[in-house]
Amino acid sequence: DAGVIQSPRHEVTEMGQEVTLRCKPISGHNSLFWYRQTMMRGLELLIYFNNNVPIDDSGMPEDRFSAKMPNASFSTLKIQPSEPRDSAVYFCASSLMAGGSYNEQFFGPGTRLTVL
Amino acid sequence: AQSVAQPEDQVNVAEGNPLTVKCTYSVSGNPYLFWYVQYPNRGLQFLLKYITGDNLVKGSYGFEAEFNKSQTSFHLKKPSALVSDSALYFCAVRDQYSGNTPLVFGKGTRLSVIA
Repeated sequence: DAGVIQSPRHEVTEMGQEVTLRCKPISGHNSLFWYRQTMMRGLELLIYFNNNVPIDDSGMPEDRFSAKMPNASFSTLKIQPSEPRDSAVYFCASSLMAGGSYNEQFFGPGTRLTVL
Repeated sequence: AQSVAQPEDQVNVAEGNPLTVKCTYSVSGNPYLFWYVQYPNRGLQFLLKYITGDNLVKGSYGFEAEFNKSQTSFHLKKPSALVSDSALYFCAVRDQYSGNTPLVFGKGTRLSVIA
């Protein structure tokens, strides 16, 4: 299995531009998570989906952030408009949750976003 | 509410010496506990987990962790540290009865193994 795939790996953009980050979870996993990591704030959970449905987006910092999961194999995190304080590494993770059992989350390699 | 604490921001250890990275947790019911490692410019990698059973859990790269219910701890250990173990380590917890909710991660502990 290729693991969780994220694209792009690096993104440099100017303030005000729209940024779209992409994630392909591990095949068969039914939960997907978006995290943001910065030196100041550490690892923050932004939003997570179960069976393609957003369950909790309370971690999304502002209305400028939005996330979608149109199907089981694809999710996007969009920032519009982007600001310099959005600069961070964004991770996607997936896991299989079924029948009361709980499996570990698998993380992608991350997208390093720099907003100038 | 679920929470996890990693009391040390940084741990330094000499190569060949045993290492311990501390983690304590708080849950209402029984905990599911995890350790992850993050190498520079990489995503988090799963190391080991405790769900039930033997309190001593063995994981990848020679790491192990001991679940201690009375002390609500799940410290990560390795008998002999390698320079290549230098990384950022995260402890995570989830209450067994919290439904399909994400793991709660600690702030991370940076381990530095000195040759």
